[in-house]
Amino acid sequence: EVQLVQSGAEVKKPGASLKIACKTSGYRFSNFWIGWVRQKPGKGLEWIGMVHPGDSTTRISPSFLDHVSVSADTSTNTTYLQWRSLNVSDTGNYYCVRHLLRGVVTTDSFWGQGTMVTVSS
Amino acid sequence: DIQMTQSPSSLSASVGDRVTITCQASHDINNYLNWWQQKPGKAPKLLIYDVSNLETGVPSRFSGGKSGTDFTFTINSLQPEDFATYYCQQYNSLPISFGQGTRLEIK
Repeated sequence: EVQLVQSGAEVKKPGASLKIACKTSGYRFSNFWIGWVRQKPGKGLEWIGMVHPGDSTTRISPSFLDHVSVSADTSTNTTYLQWRSLNVSDTGNYYCVRHLLRGVVTTDSFWGQGTMVTVSS
Repeated sequence: DIQMTQSPSSLSASVGDRVTITCQASHDINNYLNWWQQKPGKAPKLLIYDVSNLETGVPSRFSGGKSGTDFTFTINSLQPEDFATYYCQQYNSLPISFGQGTRLEIK
């Protein structure tokens, strides 16, 4: 059974760094792109970017480039989303999601449960 | 980047009704379009891929299509569990992009 299990909720101050995790199981980790989607409170879905665990290639949306990084650890089948300096505007629920090679690439039906990140002074 | 314009942003309907949501892409997306359902506090659920293909296990009252340059999503005979928010999504080019969402409420 494919499962994506994310790390717990975080509360941080502006300027802090943060790394959230998504541990996967039930499939060959290095064979699928895996990425992240943000949902601000009461708002829609925004695609952040993805990483291919097989060779660590990343693709990041221009809206998030230079603000976040995505990485993968094949020894633990875990994907990470990281910020060096959080802003209040980063507050939201972050989902990890497996991707499929359909079209250029698409989000699969397998999602994590979400990690709520709250940035507040 | 491709912008997805989804309408309406909200919709009130009754159990048994037929509803349609529309999505328009700012550029050609070669029919690479998904429709998602999201309930409060839950991750989105894939309903339809490649414009009109039903994901495994999704009831047949859900359907997707294309009319001219508009992509359509229809629910026939609304059920109580269908009241949720729906999103279109293009995957023709990066960055992947979603419509703004349609909140379907009980009338």
